[in-house]
Amino acid sequence: DVVMTQSPLSLPVTLGQPASISCRSSQSLLYSDGNTYLNWFQQRPGQSPRRLIYKVSNRDSGVPDRFSGSGSGTDFTLRISRVEAEDVGIYFCTQGTHWPRTFGQGTKVEIK
Amino acid sequence: EVQLVESGGGLVQPGGSLRLSCSGSGISLNSYAMHWVRQTPGKGLEYVSVIYSKGNSTYVADSFRGRFTVSRDKSRNTLYLQMSSLRVEDTGIYFCVRDLFGMDVWGQGTTVIVSS
Repeated sequence: DVVMTQSPLSLPVTLGQPASISCRSSQSLLYSDGNTYLNWFQQRPGQSPRRLIYKVSNRDSGVPDRFSGSGSGTDFTLRISRVEAEDVGIYFCTQGTHWPRTFGQGTKVEIK
Repeated sequence: EVQLVESGGGLVQPGGSLRLSCSGSGISLNSYAMHWVRQTPGKGLEYVSVIYSKGNSTYVADSFRGRFTVSRDKSRNTLYLQMSSLRVEDTGIYFCVRDLFGMDVWGQGTTVIVSS
């Protein structure tokens, strides 16, 4: 199985400051169709996961533009340009290139 | 608004069976590949299975193959996960998830507790 490794696992941030989460895969996520199926999710306390980013860098509808995704191959990053209080939660990456689909361990974002 | 609603979770003894259901509101599940994912405090998120929109093609992850079966009833717009030979370690929250450019919309989850 493809191992997804996130860092850091805990991220205390100051309101209004940027934040960055890394996600590394044990195999390339570039699929034969030319797409790279790496998605980012946010899970707020007590809620189901909500997708923020699909195919590395595409923001889902309704997702604030302070969220951005980048990367290629095996190395990916989720950035929050200015953290707001509502961004508290767990963020995880997932790959949709290989079977079975696999997930990162999750990064807990909290306000300092 | 697209909503997925899981049901069927509960307390079951080791070795027992349970059938989870997932229905859609504002969405025809028949039009999408649909996934099942499990979340546990110890292992985090684990991928269980997928059923494709065309035909009855399915995939079940190795950890669950032979015990879990995914199916859908197109007339009821409902997805199922039949779980048998349940183990204590199967305890967790089970989510159904739509596939649109990968997993996107998740249900609220249904809790399964396997305990004697």
